[in-house]
Amino acid sequence: GAGVSQSPSNKVTEKGKDVELRCDPISGHTALYWYRQSLGQGLEFLIYFQGNSAPDKSGLPSDRFSAERTGGSVSTLTIQRTQQEDSAVYLCASSGLAGGPWLFFGEGSRLTVL
Amino acid sequence: QKEVEQNSGPLSVPEGAIASLNCTYSDRGSQSFFWYRQYSGKSPELIMSIYSNGDKEDGRFTAQLNKASQYVSLLIRDSQPSDSATYLCAVNSEGNTGKLIFGQGTTLQVKP
Repeated sequence: GAGVSQSPSNKVTEKGKDVELRCDPISGHTALYWYRQSLGQGLEFLIYFQGNSAPDKSGLPSDRFSAERTGGSVSTLTIQRTQQEDSAVYLCASSGLAGGPWLFFGEGSRLTVL
Repeated sequence: QKEVEQNSGPLSVPEGAIASLNCTYSDRGSQSFFWYRQYSGKSPELIMSIYSNGDKEDGRFTAQLNKASQYVSLLIRDSQPSDSATYLCAVNSEGNTGKLIFGQGTTLQVKP
């Protein structure tokens, strides 16, 4: 697609429920990233996928968070047993045809955990 | 813990003035540096990248890097009300990847 597409744009859930957030990167981009932006906080790296390599999961805050990327394109970030502190905007980004550090962000999924 | 520090602001400048945004980083091994602009309620947008000491100019924007002082800055000349946004400094320390450490951002207000 023309840009990075994320869904849903807004998600309200109850504490303890599982949520899935979806990201469709720019066509042909080999690298895909998930970041989190909490109120008043900077962007926090969560995980990234590069081609067929094993993902770098070093930023995931707990084992309740996981992500997968199917077919080298669409990615899903799953948060199990959500907690109130998970409330944030989850941003997906992809980068260049050859990877690289120049990120193109989607509009984000705003998650609110009640 | 690798850190990127920015003054949260708000930084208020009159229209037509030069806005100066500053950022310091803790990891001396950092290799590449970025400025993102984020309008309220929108996602970050890359506006400048810089890799070598000195200045890099792109239109009204100039990025400055001083690796010895671990300092990055962004100058916006002839500031416009449309430049009002939060500016995020980001630093890459892990090769040619988009695994970046972001500062908390500086809010810029340009008053007509």
